[in-house]
Amino acid sequence: DAGVTQSPTHLIKTRGQQVTLRCSPKSGHDTVSWYQQALGQGPQFIFQYYEEEERQRGNFPDRFSGHQFPNYSSELNVNALLLGDSALYLCASKETGVTDTQYFGPGTRLTVL
Amino acid sequence: QQQVKQSPQSLIVQKGGIPIINCAYENTAFDYFPWYQQFPGKGPALLIAIRPDVSEKKEGRFTISFNKSAKQFSLHIMDSQPGDSATYFCAAFERGGADGLTFGKGTHLIIQP
Repeated sequence: DAGVTQSPTHLIKTRGQQVTLRCSPKSGHDTVSWYQQALGQGPQFIFQYYEEEERQRGNFPDRFSGHQFPNYSSELNVNALLLGDSALYLCASKETGVTDTQYFGPGTRLTVL
Repeated sequence: QQQVKQSPQSLIVQKGGIPIINCAYENTAFDYFPWYQQFPGKGPALLIAIRPDVSEKKEGRFTISFNKSAKQFSLHIMDSQPGDSATYFCAAFERGGADGLTFGKGTHLIIQP
């Protein structure tokens, strides 16, 4: 049983560019959340998707957007990249209505130059 | 605004010792408290979690102690091993709330042989 998978592993972009990160949830999970983890910090909640809709959102600007597909996989899009967007982006999934436990993927390391 | 305060920031313990990591929260609506372990370059992995209706939970060498009146909880690692060296994060979650997991800033733990 595959866990949460994310792609790509690493990504280098320049300021002003746009980036798309991808996530496949753990088998049987239908809710996907995205987190940003700056170096030396705890993860910060960006938003959560369930039934292809954004259900909850943390304190992140509209430059951060997402999407969930019918197979429950998800994308995180970041527009107009800033240097401060450099971080590890984590995807987490859970089975809604069954547990509050979220399982994390290995993350995508984004570097903005 | 940090809603979960974690201490210490770093901790060095001899093999076989019992490292203790403490967390305090402010939001009394939190009803789920997980601990995650993270190795460099990896995503956080769930260790153990507790709900506020119990005061202690043990899973293997890991124990959570929970004090609802003080709004504090802690992680104890029994018979610590060098392989336990990692960064540990406490987190809190409010079912039905507007946010995902709220994380502490992490504790960098080193177990010396």
